Amino acid sequence: GENVEQHPSTLSVQEGDSAVIKCTYSDSASNYFPWYKQELGKGPQLIIDIRSNVGEKKDQRIAVTLNKTAKHFSLHITETQPEDSAVYFCAASRDSGGGADGLTFGKGTHLIIQP
Amino acid sequence: DARVTQTPRHKVTEMGQEVTMRCQPILGHNTVFWYRQTMMQGLELLAYFRNRAPLDDSGMPKDRFSAEMPDATLATLKIQPSEPRDSAVYFCASGLISSGHTDTQYFGPGTRLTVL
Repeated sequence: GENVEQHPSTLSVQEGDSAVIKCTYSDSASNYFPWYKQELGKGPQLIIDIRSNVGEKKDQRIAVTLNKTAKHFSLHITETQPEDSAVYFCAASRDSGGGADGLTFGKGTHLIIQP
Repeated sequence: DARVTQTPRHKVTEMGQEVTMRCQPILGHNTVFWYRQTMMQGLELLAYFRNRAPLDDSGMPKDRFSAEMPDATLATLKIQPSEPRDSAVYFCASGLISSGHTDTQYFGPGTRLTVL
């Protein structure tokens, strides 16, 4: 089955700086890669996703890049703000014919924005 | 603002008791997922349904866990008998998912289960 590795487990950056979180996956058939943000006591919330036919996607301060050959994808957050502090999860899934299967998640990155 | 709802939000029970968790997916969504989150294992897929049919439950301990969708507006996850190692947060997620269309999964707030 799929295995997703995520690094780092904790990331502390100064407010206004950029943050980068990296993930690798093992199943070359995976074709959908979402990123979720989880705040304390809440469920994960999708912040951005990318499919395997696209190399990069951007949404305001957030961007995701995908390298299918190397089987890794990254989340980039620019101009970080205190409200970006949370745990971020990468995930991967594939389409078995009727749509995406369930997600395999990385272990999470605790992002801390220092004022 | 459409949301996935889960009940109960918190459940404390004793070992050996039956536990039932409920999920109401977003209206119109055709796929429902159950995940479990623990400190040690992180977020794990337990089972999922598409158009109410079970597609994969390989992540569930078969002897004690069961998942059903009695109708399109209700999904249930049952543990019988419960054990302390089942203590975790259980999330339900739903999406309107089909090949070639969006794969976005929307998560509910979770049920925090503590088995004493």
